[in-house]
Amino acid sequence: DGGITQSPKYLFRKEGQNVTLSCEQNLNHDAMYWYRQDPGQGLRLIYYSQIVNDFQKGDIAEGYSVSREKKESFPLTVTSAQKNPTAFYLCASSQWTGANYGYTFGSGTRLTVV
Amino acid sequence: ELKVEQNPLFLSMQEGKNYTIYCNYSTTSDRLYWYRQDPGKSLESLFVLLSNGAVKQEGRLMASLDTKARLSTLHITAAVHDLSATYFCAVDRASGTYKYIFGTGTRLKVLA
Repeated sequence: DGGITQSPKYLFRKEGQNVTLSCEQNLNHDAMYWYRQDPGQGLRLIYYSQIVNDFQKGDIAEGYSVSREKKESFPLTVTSAQKNPTAFYLCASSQWTGANYGYTFGSGTRLTVV
Repeated sequence: ELKVEQNPLFLSMQEGKNYTIYCNYSTTSDRLYWYRQDPGKSLESLFVLLSNGAVKQEGRLMASLDTKARLSTLHITAAVHDLSATYFCAVDRASGTYKYIFGTGTRLKVLA
């Protein structure tokens, strides 16, 4: 079955540590996105990529980094520069002409600073 | 500033009642998306509205889009407990960008 897989489901980060969240899709979608969701709030765009080897900052990119070396994969690194990383992170993908279907979301990674 | 505003933010309703959730947006997008999120879970696509006047229905939920008024509604008919969730609307920042702005969500609780 086609889908989008995020791992791990839960992640704990110590102060000053970098962590990487995985996002893999087998939908053959061109575009991939990372959103952050804080409790009781909507989603905010961190980074997005519309094509391999290219990505753009979203609204809250500071303290995060991404790569897009393969069409299927779009990992997100939360660096020590991100001062308040505790949140629910959602990866999504869409066709380049994504309007007809909207986003497909992964199951999310819940990151907690300990 | 581009905005997507939903109201109400919280909605508690009795089973069997009808209600409408509103989504106002400030972008020039002519497409709007509705998603459902259960507690602790990811987002599930409900409706994709692609043009002015579009209306989609699935079970007890019906969504409509008025691009001139920059307004979408999600109407709930004869609510049941299983509809309890948070509902988000989302729009493109501008047509063809495929970078969505999400509303803050409407948390719906249906009381038995």
